[in-house]
Amino acid sequence: EAGVVQSPRYKIIEKKQPVAFWCNPISGHNTLYWYRQNLGQGPELLIRYENEEAVDDSQLPKDRFSAERLKGVDSTLKIQPAELGDSAVYLCASSLAWGASSGNTIYFGEGSWLTVV
Amino acid sequence: GESVGLHLPTLSVQEGDNSIINCAYSNSASDYFIWYKQESGKGPQFIIDIRSNMDKRQGQRVTVLLNKTVKHLSLQIAATQPGDSAVYFCAESGGATNKLIFGTGTLLAVQP
Repeated sequence: EAGVVQSPRYKIIEKKQPVAFWCNPISGHNTLYWYRQNLGQGPELLIRYENEEAVDDSQLPKDRFSAERLKGVDSTLKIQPAELGDSAVYLCASSLAWGASSGNTIYFGEGSWLTVV
Repeated sequence: GESVGLHLPTLSVQEGDNSIINCAYSNSASDYFIWYKQESGKGPQFIIDIRSNMDKRQGQRVTVLLNKTVKHLSLQIAATQPGDSAVYFCAESGGATNKLIFGTGTLLAVQP
């Protein structure tokens, strides 16, 4: 079975330009997450979806970041305009459901590596 | 231009030795803990988890130990192999928000 799929894997853009990342979660996983990981640090949650509803976006910088999961499956994360400090790895993850248990293990994609110059 | 190195805690072991990676967590309300392995250029990969009603859990070549008294978690890897070289993150969740919070990673370097 395919894991979490993300694209693009790598993106280099100039500051002030827009960028979008796409994620296809594991089939059947209702919960989808976007994390940001800075170099040498652990991932930090940006937003969590339960089906198509964003239930936790408290860490999403809403002035420039937006996300959607229109049909409760695939999701996109957009940054507009990008700033130098946005350079990071953007990780998509999914789980069957929300809640800390072995049955709801969070599985991560390979990440989209963003460099803003 | 000049580059600035980031200094992750590093554990260097010989191939075949056992490795112990430690993690201190901060939230006494956390009741679920996970270890992830992250290889260079890849996303975090689930290794093993443990709930707070347990103090030890074993997997294939890995054991997680939980000491709630001192809020300490460890990952033991038996007979460490070159393929184990990666950054290892502990993560905790529980309490009011139930969010998964990652700790500082540890770089495991396996010497052949």
